[in-house]
Amino acid sequence: GAVVSQHPSRVICKSGTSVKIECRSLDFQATTMFWYRQFPKKSLMLMATSNEGSKATYEQGVEKDKFLINHASLTLSTLTVTSAHPEDSSFYICSANQPDRNMGEQYFGPGTRLTVT
Amino acid sequence: AQSVAQPEDQVNVAEGNPLTVKCTYSVSGNPYLFWYVQYPNRGLQFLLKYITGDNLVKGSYGFEAEFNKSQTSFHLKKPSALVSDSALYFCAVRTGGAAGNKLTFGGGTRVLVKP
Repeated sequence: GAVVSQHPSRVICKSGTSVKIECRSLDFQATTMFWYRQFPKKSLMLMATSNEGSKATYEQGVEKDKFLINHASLTLSTLTVTSAHPEDSSFYICSANQPDRNMGEQYFGPGTRLTVT
Repeated sequence: AQSVAQPEDQVNVAEGNPLTVKCTYSVSGNPYLFWYVQYPNRGLQFLLKYITGDNLVKGSYGFEAEFNKSQTSFHLKKPSALVSDSALYFCAVRTGGAAGNKLTFGGGTRVLVKP
């Protein structure tokens, strides 16, 4: 149980275009989802926390107009990188949890590798 | 503010030898501590967690970790390392409350197990 999927696993796009990444909880309802960004050989940086039916909470320094997050249902959150630029190239990972179960343990998706050319 | 430190960027160990990956934390309340492992181009896999109770926590793939409150440490250990344990390991902490369910990660430690 507690499986989280991400789609796509890898995407290459041209500079100036927008890219949408989906995060789904497959066998549980996730009231909260998290989006992380990971640079090569670096740790995970939390970008934002999204709660179903409400606006995402962005971490300091993360541009909310650049990284649009939508948590429209209890099993789906999307991250849209708008007007992507090469510096947005990174590994994006989502996670999901059920705050009232397992002490809020987070279950991670497999990640999405974004390359902006 | 909560923080996690993993003092070693990389740990090298021979197959069959004990493996230790260090983690220290700083929180204002009771810590919830986690260890995750990441294989290349993959997301994070949960290894184990400490919430309360016994200080020695046993997890997946033969890993265990010991919670030491006085030293604010939560080192990950495995008695006999395998080549397949080579990966990137992350320690993380959350306190809940005002911090919610956000995890704060350490910088990660790359483990290389040589045959």
